[in-house]
Amino acid sequence: AQSVTQLDSQVPVFEEAPVELRCNYSSSVSVYLFWYVQYPNQGLQLLLKYLSGSTLVESINGFEAEFNKSQTSFHLRKPSVHISDTAEYFCAVTPMNRDDKIIFGKGTRLHILP
Amino acid sequence: SAVISQKPSRDICQRGTSLTIQCQVDSQVTMMFWYRQQPGQSLTLIATANQGSEATYESGFVIDKFPISRPNLTFSTLTVSNMSPEDSSIYLCSVGFSGGQYFGPGTRLTVL
Repeated sequence: AQSVTQLDSQVPVFEEAPVELRCNYSSSVSVYLFWYVQYPNQGLQLLLKYLSGSTLVESINGFEAEFNKSQTSFHLRKPSVHISDTAEYFCAVTPMNRDDKIIFGKGTRLHILP
Repeated sequence: SAVISQKPSRDICQRGTSLTIQCQVDSQVTMMFWYRQQPGQSLTLIATANQGSEATYESGFVIDKFPISRPNLTFSTLTVSNMSPEDSSIYLCSVGFSGGQYFGPGTRLTVL
């Protein structure tokens, strides 16, 4: 079985400051890892994913996440946040070769302070 | 990636009525999924809908309450039947791809 833990339910951060949203997972099999973003009153958008290869993956809007197998973590980072980054961020895992099964964390609400 | 649309985007319904939500994908996909997101919560899988077979429901969800159709490889519907205020949620469809899922924009349902 798999589980995903997002350690912070809310993260306040000042505009232009760096941010890290933490995600740890547990699984007895190899997994793919994802971060999804949900802007206010919208659906989920895939932000970035790790399937294989380089453990550092990047999104088009400046976020990056690093897969750390030994620590079973997939933390999301951005060096300088903007007010438009205000959203709920969900970490998720899928067992390899099981597209029908995705496990979400409880989400982290990112508050950008002016 | 897949482009997924849902109708309606939002609705306000009366207790005891039913609402059918449509999900359209711009490409043929084998697996489609329906999720519920209650206020302030993460996503909960309702059922998996594969074309040509009965939907598979997760624990706590039943066909009588959430009937699903999957008539072809690009379309599915979810009906929320005999609604109560506890059914007020965002309902999202998603499609599977190699290594994950893409989600539609969601249907925001309020039951009075």
